[in-house]
Amino acid sequence: DVKVTQSSRYLVKRTGEKVFLECVQDMDHENMFWYRQDPGLGLRLIYFSYDVKMKEKGDIPEGYSVSREKKERFSLILESASTNQTSMYLCASSLWVWRDSYNEQFFGPGTRLTVL
Amino acid sequence: AQSVTQLDSHVSVSEGTPVLLRCNYSSSYSPSLFWYVQHPNKGLQLLLKYTSAATLVKGINGFEAEFKKSETSFHLTKPSAHMSDAAEYFCVVSESGGSNYKLTFGKGTLLTVNP
Repeated sequence: DVKVTQSSRYLVKRTGEKVFLECVQDMDHENMFWYRQDPGLGLRLIYFSYDVKMKEKGDIPEGYSVSREKKERFSLILESASTNQTSMYLCASSLWVWRDSYNEQFFGPGTRLTVL
Repeated sequence: AQSVTQLDSHVSVSEGTPVLLRCNYSSSYSPSLFWYVQHPNKGLQLLLKYTSAATLVKGINGFEAEFKKSETSFHLTKPSAHMSDAAEYFCVVSESGGSNYKLTFGKGTLLTVNP
């Protein structure tokens, strides 16, 4: 089974802190994704990576950056956390599209981040 | 461009009665379609996916969905609801093929099951 793990289930940080959210997948997937989930808004894509050191902005990248130094690990960074970044953050991974034309993504359990 | 609309933000049923969660999509190309389920404080789990092999797709836990191209719909059904089905459900569309990585999520339908 594909396993996507996230470093923390719950996290509380203060405004202005630098925050790192870590995600690891064990199925050699090329693609990795970070989403945020807010009530009534569904999932919104923050960033995605299709290879080591490669990244593309999603729909809401402002205030976030990412790092992918190894294929299995994808980090989301909040350079200076703000209260409007309080949310559930979900990581996902998938095969490169040509290997899986159905583009199924596998999700981690999520990190609920609260910024005070 | 692709989009997905879940027609109900909240559906409430009684245990043992049928479930219908409605989803309409828009896609410029041949789409892949998914339903994901999220139980409270859990990540998203794939319920079923449309693979173009058959228009009626069977998933886990007795759920199924029918792809209707003429109606651009992919509604999720289950004949008899169980208390454990209470969760949030997301309809998702992807334009398959090429280099398109993007999944577009609906805003979710919260299913409540009453005893």
